[in-house]
Amino acid sequence: KNQVEQSPQSLIILEGKNCTLQCNYTVSPFSNLRWYKQDTGRGPVSLTIMTFSENTKSNGRYTATLDADTKQSSLHITASQLSDSASYICVVSASNAGNNRKLIWGLGTSLAVNP
Amino acid sequence: ETGVTQSPTHLIKTRGQQVTLRCSSQSGHNTVSWYQQALGQGPQFIFQYYREEENGRGNFPPRFSGLQFPNYSSELNVNALELDDSALYLCASSFVGDYNEQFFGPGTRLTVL
Repeated sequence: KNQVEQSPQSLIILEGKNCTLQCNYTVSPFSNLRWYKQDTGRGPVSLTIMTFSENTKSNGRYTATLDADTKQSSLHITASQLSDSASYICVVSASNAGNNRKLIWGLGTSLAVNP
Repeated sequence: ETGVTQSPTHLIKTRGQQVTLRCSSQSGHNTVSWYQQALGQGPQFIFQYYREEENGRGNFPPRFSGLQFPNYSSELNVNALELDDSALYLCASSFVGDYNEQFFGPGTRLTVL
């Protein structure tokens, strides 16, 4: 069964600190893995997309890693800011057939950055 | 800003009514996907439209229907509203290609009383 599991479920950190969010997946056939940031009540915003051959990808203070062998990904946030408070969702695409029908969504990690 | 717009922002309906939500996709995109996101849950895929035809559907009953227009904008229609239909409805546009990266709109918050 295709699944995406994220940990921790929630996280509280102090402003300026770093944190790492985890994503484990059992999705086949694997096409790509995406990390989204979603503010409460708003649509998700794409942070990174990685294919099988990519091990790491950065977007500003966000760095995602992918280990296709162990089927694990992480999202590292550096020097956190109050505006980083949001839900971070890992999504794995199970299809490379040119559409988004088989996106498997994780439940997200709720991050709170406190001053 | 992703360039994807949705209307209305908020909507209140009563059980049994019908609702139409609208989405304008990002310029150059030909695919629109609709999601339902209940409070505290991840988005659930409703269906996708590609070049004006339904191109995949999630586990939602037929009272959830949609349209895509020649300009690739889209509508989501829900008939016979139920209390459990209360959710944030997200529209995402994309272009069929290597990544099929989706760009989400801000969502429509539907409350069914």
